[in-house]
Amino acid sequence: EVQLVESGGGLVQPGRSLKLSCAASGFTFSNYYMAWVRQAPKKGLEWVATISTSGSRTYYPDSVKGRFTISRDNAKSSLYLQMNSLKSEDTATYYCARHLQLPFDYWGQGVMVTVSS
Amino acid sequence: DIVLTQSPTTLSVTPGETVSLSCRASHSIGTNLHWYQQKTNESPRLLIKYASQSISGIPSRFSASGSGTDFTLNINNVEFDDVSSYFCQQTQSWPRTFGGGTKLELK
Repeated sequence: EVQLVESGGGLVQPGRSLKLSCAASGFTFSNYYMAWVRQAPKKGLEWVATISTSGSRTYYPDSVKGRFTISRDNAKSSLYLQMNSLKSEDTATYYCARHLQLPFDYWGQGVMVTVSS
Repeated sequence: DIVLTQSPTTLSVTPGETVSLSCRASHSIGTNLHWYQQKTNESPRLLIKYASQSISGIPSRFSASGSGTDFTLNINNVEFDDVSSYFCQQTQSWPRTFGGGTKLELK
């Protein structure tokens, strides 16, 4: 059974950093592109980052480019999201998701990040 | 960026009805359009990929069609379990974008 379990969320002050983790199991992690998608409270979905199987290629929207870094450790079947210079508008539930070619076929349960002073 | 506009924003239906949800893209995206279902307090679930391709384990009452800029998700014989928000997503170009969603309610 495919499982994606996020951790590392919490309350953080504006301008500070936070690192999210996603532990994957039930599939060969190194064979799949992975991604982070977020959802602000009562809002829609926003794609945040994608990483290739080896980690050599990463993709971001302008809203987080230069502040967020996606990475992976295939030996540990783990995905990460380093978030720097956090803003109030980064407050959201962050989901780890697996790419099935282009769409996302499995999602984690999500982890909440609140940016507030 | 490609903007996806979903309509209606909210849809109130009677169980047993057949409904159609729309997703319109600001630029042509071929069939690189996917549909997700999200129930309250749950993670999204992939319903349909590449505009019309079914997903294993998804009930056959869900179907979809479209290409280019106009896409439709159809739900036949709506059931109580279908109360959810439905989102479309494009993977034609970067950044990947989602529609604002359609919330399905039952009367």
